[in-house]
Amino acid sequence: GDSVTQMEGPVTLSEEAFLTINCTYTATGYPSLFWYVQYPGEGLQLLLKATKADDKGSNKGFEATYRKETTSFHLEKGSVQVSDSAVYFCALKNFNKFYFGSGTKLNVKP
Amino acid sequence: NAGVTQTPKFRVLKTGQSMTLLCAQDMNHEYMYWYRQDPGMGLRLIHYSVGEGTTAKGEVPDGYNVSRLKKQNFLLGLESAAPSQTSVYFCASSSGTGRYEQYFGPGTRLTVT
Repeated sequence: GDSVTQMEGPVTLSEEAFLTINCTYTATGYPSLFWYVQYPGEGLQLLLKATKADDKGSNKGFEATYRKETTSFHLEKGSVQVSDSAVYFCALKNFNKFYFGSGTKLNVKP
Repeated sequence: NAGVTQTPKFRVLKTGQSMTLLCAQDMNHEYMYWYRQDPGMGLRLIHYSVGEGTTAKGEVPDGYNVSRLKKQNFLLGLESAAPSQTSVYFCASSSGTGRYEQYFGPGTRLTVT
């Protein structure tokens, strides 16, 4: 069945460091791909999305490119801030259903 | 718009008790979902609905029931709570198939003792 695998955390970085969180997926057909962010005590918020191969989603300095050949959707940010500390979830949508990765906790230290 | 709201925010139950979690959305979305979130396991889909009067099972439906009598509301019921149902429950809604993302509520933290 469809599934999402993302790198385990926690990931600890210093402010202004480069961030990569790996995400790979397994799916039939042509899923849409998403990154969600969850701040402590809150629900998930959409960070960015891509709906077809080679699309790049971007928001708030974060980027991810839909790579069908490698079935990947890695999240990147060039310079992280303390306020980026949160849990990040990779997800795919296929045939009305969403599948989420297990989440990667990011800690950014000043 | 309030978006997606959930009540209650917190609840403690004893084993065998029952309760209903309410999810409401004001975005006129067709699709609604219930998830549970457990440490290290991400989100797991319990049940979902593709429209008023419809429901379908997700990945972990056992021990839960749902109803969608009104388009804006999606209820999750626990008939006889068990400690294994201690979790954070999230409701989400979406406007349709394809590229549309989900919008999440703030969650309900349920503890079953």
